[in-house]
Amino acid sequence: DIQMTQSPSSLSASIKDRVTITCRASQSISRYLNWYQQKPGQAPKLLIYAASSLQSGVSSRFSGSGSGTDFTLTISSLQPEDFATYYCQQSYNSPLTFGGGTKVEIK
Amino acid sequence: EVQLVESGGGLVQPGGSRRLSCAASGFTFSSYSMNWVRQAPGKGLEWVSYISSSSRTIYYADSLKGRFTISRDNAKNSLYLHMNSLSAEDTAMYYCARAWYYDLGNFYYMDVWGKGTTVTVSS
Repeated sequence: DIQMTQSPSSLSASIKDRVTITCRASQSISRYLNWYQQKPGQAPKLLIYAASSLQSGVSSRFSGSGSGTDFTLTISSLQPEDFATYYCQQSYNSPLTFGGGTKVEIK
Repeated sequence: EVQLVESGGGLVQPGGSRRLSCAASGFTFSSYSMNWVRQAPGKGLEWVSYISSSSRTIYYADSLKGRFTISRDNAKNSLYLHMNSLSAEDTAMYYCARAWYYDLGNFYYMDVWGKGTTVTVSS
C-alpha cells in the first residue's frame, strides 16, 4: 500500500497568513493526489484534484503543487472559514490512502 | 441538488452485523462508481470500499479481512455496506462518496460526500 505522510500534523496561524501543508507519498504517484478540507462535524470537502486542479466553487486562495512523491497545499491568505483539518489522498492505485491530516488552528 | 444520505448506523454489539445504506439523488446514480470511507472518533479518514457503476469491479481495504461487502441497487439509487463480525475498531462515522473520473477515466477523486452515519460497536 502507498503510505501518505503529511506535515505538520497541526499548525497555528493568523488571519491573512500564508499557510503551506506538505504531503509525501511512499512511492511515486505521478500527479494523482487530491486534497480535502474537513471542518468539525462535517463531511470532507474536495479542494484540489490531480495535484493542482482547483475543484469548482473552491476559493482561488487554495492552490496545490507537486508531482511524484512530494506535494504541497497552499492557502495564500488564511481566512476564518479556513480553520479546519486538511487531508491529502492518493488515487494512483487501490487501496486509496489518506494522509494523517493537518489541523489548522487559530493563533 | 446532488445529494447523498447515509443511514443505518447505530449501536451494535461486538460480533454483530449491520447494513448501511446511502441514498443518492440529483444525479444519474447508475453512471457513477461509489465509495465508502470511514473515520474513527478523533482520527483520520480511512477508505473502506469501492464499487463500479455496474458492480463489476469491487475493491476493499485489506484491513477489513473479508468482513464487509459493498453492493448497490441502481434501480433504487442506493449503495450499501454490509458489515459482519464487528469489533470496537469498526466504531466510526461512515461516509459514502461519489467517484468522479478524469484523465481518460483512469483515475478518480471523491467529489460528493454524504454527511455520514455513525456506527458504535459496544456491549
